[in-house]
Amino acid sequence: NAGVTQTPKFHILKIGQSMTLQCTQDMNHNYMYWYRQDPGMGLKLIYYSVGAGITDKGEVPNGYNVSRSTTEDFPLRLELAAPSQTSVYFCATRQGTDTQYFGPGTRLTVL
Amino acid sequence: AQSVTQLGSHVSVSEGALVLLRCNYSSSVPPYLFWYVQYPNQGLQLLLKYTSAATLVKGINGFEAEFKKSETSIHLTKPSAHMSDAAEYFCAVSDRSGNTGKLIFGQGTTLQVKP
Repeated sequence: NAGVTQTPKFHILKIGQSMTLQCTQDMNHNYMYWYRQDPGMGLKLIYYSVGAGITDKGEVPNGYNVSRSTTEDFPLRLELAAPSQTSVYFCATRQGTDTQYFGPGTRLTVL
Repeated sequence: AQSVTQLGSHVSVSEGALVLLRCNYSSSVPPYLFWYVQYPNQGLQLLLKYTSAATLVKGINGFEAEFKKSETSIHLTKPSAHMSDAAEYFCAVSDRSGNTGKLIFGQGTTLQVKP
């Protein structure tokens, strides 16, 4: 039982490039979330999903897109990377108890 | 709307001393509250959660928190700090509107433990 896995762990992206951050869970949780973490700012919610086929915006969705075609996967897409998207990205899942379970994170640098 | 404020972005204690990390929240409904810990270069791990049962909540690694409705607070304590407690700690409140389970986080408090 791997829990929540995220790939890649680290990545450097050039301004204007696109990439997808992967998040996979094996806990069969319906709810999934993407956060970004910036120093001194805590975690901010980017997008979330309450089940396969359903997604919604969080607090800071601009510049990102998501899809949820299966229960297991919740990829985060950056279309035109900007330096402001340099951050650490965390995926999390939840099922029923309000407790969220976090992946190990992806550290992204946009240069 | 819910919000969370953690008082003090950086707390330093000596090994063996009391740890006290402060968190105040605002919520229009009875809140669910959480403390998470993040060790360097890792994800967040749940320390404890308050879900409107007992006001004193015990967590992992010897941590506990007392919920005080009158003060809208849930401060995190540990009687005796250990070097391994050095980490960043986040307080969060659950957005219970619409059953989305969204968490609103405080800005975090870095705990330094000195030998």
